Amino acid sequence: SQTIHQWPATLVQPVGSPLSLECTVEGTSNPNLYWYRQAAGRGLQLLFYSVGIGQISSEVPQNLSASRPQDRQFILSSKKLLLSDSGFYLCAWSGDRGEETQYFGPGTRLLVL
Amino acid sequence: SQQGEEDPQALSIQEGENATMNCSYKTSINNLQWYRQNSGRGLVHLILIRSNEREKHSGRLRVTLDTSKKSSSLLITASRAADTASYFCATGLYGNNRLAFGKGNQVVVIP
Repeated sequence: SQTIHQWPATLVQPVGSPLSLECTVEGTSNPNLYWYRQAAGRGLQLLFYSVGIGQISSEVPQNLSASRPQDRQFILSSKKLLLSDSGFYLCAWSGDRGEETQYFGPGTRLLVL
Repeated sequence: SQQGEEDPQALSIQEGENATMNCSYKTSINNLQWYRQNSGRGLVHLILIRSNEREKHSGRLRVTLDTSKKSSSLLITASRAADTASYFCATGLYGNNRLAFGKGNQVVVIP
């Protein structure tokens, strides 16, 4: 069966520090991968998605970047965090049709102080 | 781009009652999905209904889709305390590789 992992679960970082969040998927090959951000009490904002290694589509211009160095690994990064980067970050995967069902990881709660 | 918008935003009901949530969207879709999120957790897929379907059931869940009104409803029958969560609708467009999520409905089931 397929599983998706995210770490860390919680992160407190100072403004201006770098960020690296990791997401890995097991039990499937060539998944579509997604990074979402969820502000408190709000819906999901799609940040990046990837349909293959090295292929990244950015949905919203911002302080963040994403990379996919391996088939089942998706990394969300920032060189210098802003206060506004605080939120709940969710990774998800789908089959080769991302408009079908997506499967979410447990999320990372990021607090930038 | 299409976007789901749930209504109402918050719902509080007694255990055993039914809970109904609505979702509207703006453009043509291939499918509409409902997800549940428990506090501080990831989203869990509940049900997917395609644009050529009008109603779908899964256990205590009933979803309807009216493409002429661009709206969907999610009914949870005989609610339980464990149904307390936020519920999101999401729309998918064929070939788009993405889902557009609504803002979510918070449902509290009082034991």
